[in-house]
Amino acid sequence: GAVVSQHPSRVICKSGTSVKIECRSLDFQATTMFWYRQFPKKSLMLMATSNEGSKATYEQGVEKDKFLINHASLTLSTLTVTSAHPEDSSFYICSATGLAGVVDTQYFGPGTRLTVL
Amino acid sequence: SQQGEEDPQALSIQEGENATMNCSYKTSINNLQWYRQNSGRGLVHLILIRSNEREKHSGRLRVTLDTSKKSSSLLITASRAADTASYFCATEKIEGAQKLVFGQGTRLTINP
Repeated sequence: GAVVSQHPSRVICKSGTSVKIECRSLDFQATTMFWYRQFPKKSLMLMATSNEGSKATYEQGVEKDKFLINHASLTLSTLTVTSAHPEDSSFYICSATGLAGVVDTQYFGPGTRLTVL
Repeated sequence: SQQGEEDPQALSIQEGENATMNCSYKTSINNLQWYRQNSGRGLVHLILIRSNEREKHSGRLRVTLDTSKKSSSLLITASRAADTASYFCATEKIEGAQKLVFGQGTRLTINP
């Protein structure tokens, strides 16, 4: 149980285009989802926290107009990177927490590697 | 300030040996969690230890927490080649609303 999926797993896009990444909790209701960004051989940096039906809370330094987050249901959150540029290339990972498994545990998706040309 | 700083940054040992990784943090926490990440993959939750706990076991894993020193250790006993991965500690601060702050990670290599 407590499986989180992400789609796509890998995406390559041209500079200036927008990319949407989906994060789904497959077998539980995720009251809260988190979006992280990870650079090669580096740690995860929290970008934003989203709760179903409300606006996402962004971490300091994260542009909310560039990284649009929507948490429309208890099983789906999306991250849209708008007008992507090469510096947005990174590994994006979501996690979900809710009524599943061990309390307080975040369950992570497999990640999405974004490459902006 | 940085939470969850691991040391060593990289560790290479022989299969069968024990691997110990350490994590230090700076603020008061609700809990501390250890995660594993294989190259280019997502994170796998290993173990969670709460602030009122001192030690926890799960299979070949042993985690300790010393809140007075703001430090934790992860011990993997009888290591296997499949344990090769990066290991991260993550802390949930008391006022953190479930937000996790990750350390820089330890890259563990188990040589067969």
